[in-house]
Amino acid sequence: KQEVTQIPAALSVPEGENLVLNCSFTDSAIYNLQWFRQDPGKGLTSLLLIQSSQREQTSGRLNASLDKSSGRSTLYIAASQPGDSATYLCAVYRGGSYIPTFGRGTSLIVHP
Amino acid sequence: DTGVSQNPRHKITKRGQNVTFRCDPISEHNRLYWYRQTLGQGPEFLTYFQNEAQLEKSRLLSDRFSAERPKGSFSTLEIQRTEQGDSAMYLCASTPTGAGTDTQYFGPGTRLTVL
Repeated sequence: KQEVTQIPAALSVPEGENLVLNCSFTDSAIYNLQWFRQDPGKGLTSLLLIQSSQREQTSGRLNASLDKSSGRSTLYIAASQPGDSATYLCAVYRGGSYIPTFGRGTSLIVHP
Repeated sequence: DTGVSQNPRHKITKRGQNVTFRCDPISEHNRLYWYRQTLGQGPEFLTYFQNEAQLEKSRLLSDRFSAERPKGSFSTLEIQRTEQGDSAMYLCASTPTGAGTDTQYFGPGTRLTVL
């Protein structure tokens, strides 16, 4: 059974810092990995999708990397802003399955 | 593209009552998912549809839960004889199909409170 762990569970930083959020998974036979953002009481918004054949994806100040062999993905947020405050979740798709397994998320607070 | 919509946004019910939620996916998205999320947890898969066919159902989904997608467009999730443990956010997501198009688009969710 795939297990997805996100570290840290919570993070509070001052504005402007560069951040690294971690996601690890136990079964490396994944199809792809997706990072989401969730604001309190809301649904999830997709940030980046990394196919299993890719090493990284970038969107604006966000960069996500994937290392299948070590079962890890990182989400890098550059020059953090208060508007980045949210919970960040990663979801892993096992090869041959359309069903993702989610981590519990990292709750991020960026204070001015 | 109006996004995934869910109704109602909030539902408060008494234990033992039945509730039904609706999800309208993005137009022409073939796959539709239902998830349940409790505080401090990631979304937990419940079931998914490819067009009108329900292809997989979580073992965690008891017989009190049923989902339909009769015409391959909107979907409903019904919970019968609700219990306090059913209190959660119920999320719907849709995806297009085709190679490399697994990005999930989520609705705002329906928050269920069972008293």
